[in-house]
Amino acid sequence: GAGVSQSPSNKVTEKGKDVELRCDPISGHTALYWYRQSLGQGLEFLIYFQGNSAPDKSGLPSDRFSAERTGGSVSTLTIQRTQQEDSAVYLCASSSGLLKEQYFGPGTRLTVT
Amino acid sequence: GIQVEQSPPDLILQEGANSTLRCNFSDSVNNLQWFHQNPWGQLINLFYIPSGTKQNGRLSATTVATERYSLLYISSSQTTDSGVYFCAVVRTDKLIFGTGTRLQVFP
Repeated sequence: GAGVSQSPSNKVTEKGKDVELRCDPISGHTALYWYRQSLGQGLEFLIYFQGNSAPDKSGLPSDRFSAERTGGSVSTLTIQRTQQEDSAVYLCASSSGLLKEQYFGPGTRLTVT
Repeated sequence: GIQVEQSPPDLILQEGANSTLRCNFSDSVNNLQWFHQNPWGQLINLFYIPSGTKQNGRLSATTVATERYSLLYISSSQTTDSGVYFCAVVRTDKLIFGTGTRLQVFP
């Protein structure tokens, strides 16, 4: 596609459930990033992929969060045993390489009730 | 870690006015991007500007990396310019965002 796409656009889940968020980067982009935007914390980095490997997982807030990328393309961010503080907009971005311009998807709004 | 500060935090303008938004950062960076977050939450790329000046229509940006700041100029503002403007610095492999400037343009 022409841009970064994310699904679902909205997700409401009950506390304690697992959720999966999906990101499709711009075709040909080798780098993929996950960020989170919440009222209290602003926009914060979660994890970065170069190809299928994740050299930098430093932003993942807890071991309940994990991510994978397959085929150098689609990525999935998984949150296990969701908590109310996980409520936020999860944004995915991609770039043609390290230090190149990043382009963002529309985000997934996660609400944990 | 590196700190990114934006000013002013809020800006209210009448249509047609000009404005300058500022981004200060506390350490050397590999690059810098400006974004506009529209009312639907989409981050729209404005500029990718490690140094120097770039212009795109009514918008222009200047980054002085040696002095650790960047400026975004909006001329002849329109209501569609409303939203939040973020600068983000590129540090190794990630974007570090400022807290944003919320712009409201009234007709």
